Amino acid sequence: DTGVSQNPRHKITKRGQNVTFRCDPISEHNRLYWYRQTLGQGPEFLTYFQNEAQLEKSRLLSDRFSAERPKGSFSTLEIQRTEQGDSAMYLCASSLTPEGQYFGPGTRLTVT
Amino acid sequence: KNQVEQSPQSLIILEGKNCTLQCNYTVSPFSNLRWYKQDTGRGPVSLTIMTFSENTKSNGRYTATLDADTKQSSLHITASQLSDSASYICVVSERIKAAGNKLTFGGGTRVLVKP
Repeated sequence: DTGVSQNPRHKITKRGQNVTFRCDPISEHNRLYWYRQTLGQGPEFLTYFQNEAQLEKSRLLSDRFSAERPKGSFSTLEIQRTEQGDSAMYLCASSLTPEGQYFGPGTRLTVT
Repeated sequence: KNQVEQSPQSLIILEGKNCTLQCNYTVSPFSNLRWYKQDTGRGPVSLTIMTFSENTKSNGRYTATLDADTKQSSLHITASQLSDSASYICVVSERIKAAGNKLTFGGGTRVLVKP
């Protein structure tokens, strides 16, 4: 499978715990995006990497959220001190050009 | 503020029938518009992408139209099948600034096809 992959697919955690998600983009894609999607809503942009550089961050990305792409390949999104409002689907997308972003299957986070 | 509005929020159609979904946007400067299909619990999958100069684009039974003057797009599903049951999301891209390309997503239209 040469598509975008995300792990884990589902994560249940207790409020206050830290969680980390991983995204593996399509191998030749230098652009990588993170989005958050709540039930019944469209995805909301969180952050964008070109290679290893984080070029844009949404105001939605509070100081509890941090994303990295250390070698310009896979990326991680960490949420510290999770809150119930963090429960959502976290989507990763990658692209070679600004057009045509390919989405991964998402990681569904449930904070209890 | 850039916005993408979709209508209806949801619809139910009988298998074999056609339907049309609407998308209005205020994103500027416009770069392109895409329609995605998202099955429950999965990531969105691209159906069509149109730039400013394109009025219509088809992908099998899906046909998208774009009127860049009125900032409206539609997605027409022909001869619907049960597998068309999904959310359809309209996504508008701002013209590239620096190295980024910000997308604005609509809230989606949830389509349910019944036998």
